[in-house]
Amino acid sequence: GESVGLHLPTLSVQEGDNSIINCAYSNSASDYFIWYKQESGKGPQFIIDIRSNMDKRQGQRVTVLLNKTVKHLSLQIAATQPGDSAVYFCAELKAAGNKLTFGGGTRVLVKP
Amino acid sequence: ETGVTQTPRHLVMGMTNKKSLKCEQHLGHNAMYWYKQSAKKPLELMFVYNFKEQTENNSVPSRFSPECPNSSHLFLHLHTLQPEDSALYLCASSHADRINEQFFGPGTRLTVL
Repeated sequence: GESVGLHLPTLSVQEGDNSIINCAYSNSASDYFIWYKQESGKGPQFIIDIRSNMDKRQGQRVTVLLNKTVKHLSLQIAATQPGDSAVYFCAELKAAGNKLTFGGGTRVLVKP
Repeated sequence: ETGVTQTPRHLVMGMTNKKSLKCEQHLGHNAMYWYKQSAKKPLELMFVYNFKEQTENNSVPSRFSPECPNSSHLFLHLHTLQPEDSALYLCASSHADRINEQFFGPGTRLTVL
């Protein structure tokens, strides 16, 4: 969901556990939904995307799920590692558009 | 690391100054973007260039002036900024037909006094 100021939603995860990060969207006309990761001091980094006509896509240790009925997107990270600590953003690409619209971000903290 | 470099990494300027931010990509991409990331808002798109032509201006004030001399370089010229313009300015690039997969630079942390 939307974040306000520095008070990003935060997910604390034990190292080795699975993480689930959620995102709600409002635009049903989006063509792609994307997850980006931003580590401290760096720009966002593409993780994985999913087309709007799919409901699941898997990458290396990550799975993105899309539920169009409730307009919900999630990112699952398997066996979370310290290097996964970052802020995660969902984004959407509107059909026939030329720009991404980003959500507010979720901070993931991995505890050793 | 990502193939997109930005200079300077940090910039402090007064409201009457003129400065420029520079972005360079070494990925062979043909689309480049400027974003603003501030503490109180989600990442905001400012400008889009495809094949050196500006295709998007997201209602950005004229005190921000972009320039794209070629597909590898992008500038953001700054003039008479306001303190509320203080933010992290991120440059990104992509293939024009892969807008969903953008590669970001590390950003320029701008402080306007």
